Amino acid sequence: DAGITQSPRHKVTETGTPVTLRCHQTENHRYMYWYRQDPGHGLRLIHYSYGVKDTDKGEVSDGYSVSRSKTEDFLLTLESATSSQTSVYFCAISEAGTNQAEQFFGPGTRLTVL
Amino acid sequence: AQSVAQPEDQVNVAEGNPLTVKCTYSVSGNPYLFWYVQYPNRGLQFLLKYITGDNLVKGSYGFEAEFNKSQTSFHLKKPSALVSDSALYFCAVRDDSDYKLSFGAGTTVTVRA
Repeated sequence: DAGITQSPRHKVTETGTPVTLRCHQTENHRYMYWYRQDPGHGLRLIHYSYGVKDTDKGEVSDGYSVSRSKTEDFLLTLESATSSQTSVYFCAISEAGTNQAEQFFGPGTRLTVL
Repeated sequence: AQSVAQPEDQVNVAEGNPLTVKCTYSVSGNPYLFWYVQYPNRGLQFLLKYITGDNLVKGSYGFEAEFNKSQTSFHLKKPSALVSDSALYFCAVRDDSDYKLSFGAGTTVTVRA
């Protein structure tokens, strides 16, 4: 999976608790992305980063925040988890300098909010 | 705005038969188009992309895709399907002025022996 790891791989939590998911890459790619995958919706972009401390919102960013203090790490935080955030979360990376580059995906984190 | 439609939720074919997975797109500028495959409990794997040039693009595992600008389509094809091709397939599009990808809802392909 192209030098991308996600942790944890599975998590069960309760409504109202904070949750942080971690994406770590060893490819030194500038761009990093967080998606959620839900049946019937494909993948939807939550947030993305175009460099250290540079982030922007995607199409489903409400209830999520991100941080990137190092090139290799991109954190996704659910400040107060809700049942609607039960999903599979994928991190992706791509090279800088061209928007022609494909994205490479991590193995995913399955999050269940009870 | 950009969007992708995969009109078929499921495609079923017999092993050895041709496989086609349909995709249509909408972008305001020039499209960059991608196909990904997802096996159970795995992340997405890149298959192929169209950026410019030849309308027929060849990719991994014997897959190819044909870009048709007039029909705004980018259908994925394989001449002879294998049981191991059974998976979930996603089409994605990016406008040439943006870095964000938009994905279709996915098509589940089942190849029966």
